[in-house]
Amino acid sequence: GAGVSQTPSNKVTEKGKYVELRCDPISGHTALYWYRQSLGQGPEFLIYFQGTGAADDSGLPNDRFFAVRPEGSVSTLKIQRTERGDSAVYLCASSRGQAHNEQFFGPGTRLTVL
Amino acid sequence: AQSVAQPEDQVNVAEGNPLTVKCTYSVSGNPYLFWYVQYPNRGLQFLLKYITGDNLVKGSYGFEAEFNKSQTSFHLKKPSALVSDSALYFCAVRDMTGTASKLTFGTGTRLQVTL
Repeated sequence: GAGVSQTPSNKVTEKGKYVELRCDPISGHTALYWYRQSLGQGPEFLIYFQGTGAADDSGLPNDRFFAVRPEGSVSTLKIQRTERGDSAVYLCASSRGQAHNEQFFGPGTRLTVL
Repeated sequence: AQSVAQPEDQVNVAEGNPLTVKCTYSVSGNPYLFWYVQYPNRGLQFLLKYITGDNLVKGSYGFEAEFNKSQTSFHLKKPSALVSDSALYFCAVRDMTGTASKLTFGTGTRLQVTL
């Protein structure tokens, strides 16, 4: 079956611009996660959805970052007033939603802020 | 707070030799533990997990991992390495208690298998 997909695969933007990153989870997965991976680091948690609601957004670095999942499937990560420090690979993952279930990751969106 | 340590940035091994990639963890309760592999320009792929029960867990591509509660470790192993195993490996932990479901990852270990 289809895995987690993310669009775009690459995004180059200028400092101060607004960007949206999209994630399509595996069908039937109730849990969806966003992580950010900087060069040479492991993925860092941003936000977790169970269904339509954000169950844990403690990883969002500041109020420029926001994510939605209005119908409990596709999710969009939104970044306002982008900064050069936001440059990273943004990973989306989905799972069946129980704590012991493994998360399946998408290929990521590489964001570059010039 | 939960954390993971992968003490080796890189592990080098000759093809056909056994390999070990080390991981230690810290959680407040009992852990769920995971290993993922990342190939260049690709997403993370799930290898195996420990939930409960047998301390030796078997996963994809001939990999296995041993959970050791007293040493808070979950080392990844393979009896005979292949060149195609060369990749970046991440250990991750999740606290079994509470409602938080995020994974906390280590910084990764690059495995280089040579002929």
